[in-house]
Amino acid sequence: DVKVTQSSRYLVKRTGEKVFLECVQDMDHENMFWYRQDPGLGLRLIYFSYDVKMKEKGDIPEGYSVSREKKERFSLILESASTNQTSMYLCASSDPGRGTDTQYFGPGTRLTVL
Amino acid sequence: AQKITQTQPGMFVQEKEAVTLDCTYDTSDPSYGLFWYKQPSSGEMIFLIYQGSYDQQNATEGRYSLNFQKARKSANLVISASQLGDSAMYFCAMREDLTGTASKLTFGTGTRLQVTL
Repeated sequence: DVKVTQSSRYLVKRTGEKVFLECVQDMDHENMFWYRQDPGLGLRLIYFSYDVKMKEKGDIPEGYSVSREKKERFSLILESASTNQTSMYLCASSDPGRGTDTQYFGPGTRLTVL
Repeated sequence: AQKITQTQPGMFVQEKEAVTLDCTYDTSDPSYGLFWYKQPSSGEMIFLIYQGSYDQQNATEGRYSLNFQKARKSANLVISASQLGDSAMYFCAMREDLTGTASKLTFGTGTRLQVTL
């Protein structure tokens, strides 16, 4: 089974803090993704990576950056957290070489910025 | 641009009954994939079922089936014999096949299903 883990289930930070959200997958997947989920808006793509050290902006990259130094790990960074970044953050991974390119998700991190 | 529409914010179904969750999509790409995910209150997104745009038959996975009507651009999820554990948010998503980079998913806003006794 695909296993995607995220470093924290719940996180509380203060405005202006630098925040790191970590995601690790154990299935040797090429692609990794970061989404945020807000009520009534569904999931929105922040950034994705299709290879080590490669990254691409998604639909809402402003205020975020990412890092992928190793294939299994994809980090989301909030350089200076703001209250409008309070949200549920979901990480996913997929392997385009496996037919359907299904994305498998981690358990999510509920981030609150005070 | 791709778009996914789920018009039912909430649905109720009695235990052991079947329920259909609606999803329509809009794309000009000939190659695409459609997914359904379940999100229980715990928050994790669980993959349920996949339908490719070139698949001739409707996808099935246990109690889940996908009613794929390509000409109408609809991909409705059918859950048979509902169970209390099916109570959750359900999201429809479409994969956009990009060249050179990873494919992207576009999600609908979801339908909250409540299964009652």
